[in-house]
Amino acid sequence: SYELTQPPSVSVSPGQTVSITCSGGKLGDKYVYWYQQKPGQSPVLVIFQDWRRPSGIPERFSGSNSGSTATLTISGTQPTDEADYFCQAWDSITVVFGGGTKLTVL
Amino acid sequence: QITLKESGPTLVKPTQTLTLTCTFSGFSLSTGGVGVAWIRQPPGKALEWLALIFGDDDKRYSPSLKSSLTITKDTSRNQVVLTMTNVDPVDTATYYCAHSTKKGSCSGYACYYFDFWGQGTLVTVSS
Repeated sequence: SYELTQPPSVSVSPGQTVSITCSGGKLGDKYVYWYQQKPGQSPVLVIFQDWRRPSGIPERFSGSNSGSTATLTISGTQPTDEADYFCQAWDSITVVFGGGTKLTVL
Repeated sequence: QITLKESGPTLVKPTQTLTLTCTFSGFSLSTGGVGVAWIRQPPGKALEWLALIFGDDDKRYSPSLKSSLTITKDTSRNQVVLTMTNVDPVDTATYYCAHSTKKGSCSGYACYYFDFWGQGTLVTVSS
């Protein structure tokens, strides 16, 4: 079965730029989606189709996808960005989520 | 405004059947290009996709759980129901339903994502 691999945790200082990776076989040939989940809350879509931002998502969130790695980048990270981030893709006709990355803003 | 809300039992015994209902508003599940998915999350763990039903009644299931899941829709009542048979304590999780859609002229399953989520409902499987 297809798997998406994310680092368990990443940390960043406020105002800095942080990247969260998501790896999978030929992932660059698929669309990747990113969700943010804060403690006790439901996930929120922050990036769709590799790099597109839904309305209401700050411009500091951006995405890219090439080769076997997709990347979510947060520029000028805010303390409010501290959350778990999950990548998602489709493996043919089924949905796959990554294991999630806990972002800590120190 | 799209909203979804999950409902169902909070406690289920092992081997029983779990039935969850997603009641939604703000969209119709009678047309193509729209779907409703069930996604779960065990405490402290990752999201796990379970099933997805589209407005044309196309249904997709997680391969690992396919034999125990059934997803159906009641368009007139704006509801999607998920049943899971023979539950086990490992099925203890928060269960979410989510609206699924795609952008513009993008075609194929790979274009679909989850843009609105319910608040989730915690289901505990225990004797």
